[in-house]
Amino acid sequence: IQLTQSPSSLSASVGDRVTITCRASQYIRTYLAWYQQNPGKAPKLLIYTASTLQNGVPSRFSGSGSGTDFTLTISSLQPEDFATYYCQQLNSYPLTFGQGTKLEIK
Amino acid sequence: EVQLVESGGGLVQPGRSLRLSCAASRFTFDDYAMHWVRQVPGKGLEWVSGISWNGGSVGYADSVKGRFTISRDNANNFLYLQMNSLRAEDTALYYCAKDRGRGNQGGFGGMDVWGQGTTVTVSS
Repeated sequence: IQLTQSPSSLSASVGDRVTITCRASQYIRTYLAWYQQNPGKAPKLLIYTASTLQNGVPSRFSGSGSGTDFTLTISSLQPEDFATYYCQQLNSYPLTFGQGTKLEIK
Repeated sequence: EVQLVESGGGLVQPGRSLRLSCAASRFTFDDYAMHWVRQVPGKGLEWVSGISWNGGSVGYADSVKGRFTISRDNANNFLYLQMNSLRAEDTALYYCAKDRGRGNQGGFGGMDVWGQGTTVTVSS
């Protein structure tokens, strides 16, 4: 199953609302997770089962979608949110990641 | 604090083998599926392999199938990745990651705990 994220990169300002999309090549129900990765750090789980917020993740992060089309939304960007974001399908082996979306400060 | 610590990386010649280890602590290891994920510096994440809580179900990326073997020792809280016939394109930082689910018949819930990684360099 291939995952295509868009955009590949995004420039935004603190306080902006941003949306990243992830499209799966096959139906994956809601078996999708989103991760945030900062340079030199391990990824951090943000959202699982497409829309469930991981413990400790700020509520400005939200996820939606099912089937093949998914979105990650950050409602009001904070300085610490500028990072790279990945989606991952958990429906079946081999598990796969999207290519990533780099969120940069405008 | 829940912790995963990888070891076993290093410089190896093409065609040779290497075994990575991941020591887990401060959680009930045999309740969860585990994974290996790799990343070439400056590039994206690539899922490599996963194993269910009891080792009964395993999966591999197409790029490593037939060359890599994942296993786990639930008695001692270790995850392993045996890597054979290594290629230059296997050069990466390898992360060990814990799943939220047990990994039977699917049942994956996302990777909520990650180690800091161990670097594998395949070069002559």
